[in-house]
Amino acid sequence: DVKVTQSSRYLVKRTGEKVFLECVQDMDHENMFWYRQDPGLGLRLIYFSYDVKMKEKGDIPEGYSVSREKKERFSLILESASTNQTSMYLCASSFGRGSYEQYFGPGTRLTVT
Amino acid sequence: GENVEQHPSTLSVQEGDSAVIKCTYSDSASNYFPWYKQELGKGPQLIIDIRSNVGEKKDQRIAVTLNKTAKHFSLHITETQPEDSAVYFCAPGNYQLIWGAGTKLIIKP
Repeated sequence: DVKVTQSSRYLVKRTGEKVFLECVQDMDHENMFWYRQDPGLGLRLIYFSYDVKMKEKGDIPEGYSVSREKKERFSLILESASTNQTSMYLCASSFGRGSYEQYFGPGTRLTVT
Repeated sequence: GENVEQHPSTLSVQEGDSAVIKCTYSDSASNYFPWYKQELGKGPQLIIDIRSNVGEKKDQRIAVTLNKTAKHFSLHITETQPEDSAVYFCAPGNYQLIWGAGTKLIIKP
């Protein structure tokens, strides 16, 4: 079974802090994604990556950056956390181009105070 | 940009009855039409999907139907059970998915 793990289930940070969210997948998937999920808005794509050291902006990249130094790991970075970044963050992976099914981690609920 | 609408936002059905959730989309380039189920405390999980060259697909109690001309597709769940209670998302697209806002399905015992 594909397993996508996220470093924390719950995280509380202060405004202005630098925040790292880590995601690891164990199935040698090419593609990895970061979403945020807010009530009534579905999932919104922040960044995605098709290969190591490659990244592309999604629909809402402002205030975020990402890092993919190894194939299995995709990190989301909040350079200076703000209260409007309080949300559920979901990481996903998929096998590769032409394979569209995404496998999700359990999510990290981030609260910025 | 691409627009995806999902209806209804909440659906309450009696156990054993059927449930239907509809998704409309605007991007005619979409060629992949999945439905995901999200249970409390978990990430979404694919339950059924269909490609644009197929009109209907069935897997036991769940089915997806696609009307590409009208740009909508639907999730059908028959003989609903308590474990079907969850939030369901449509996410049409291709290598990138555009997610609907979700439908909370409540199964009444």
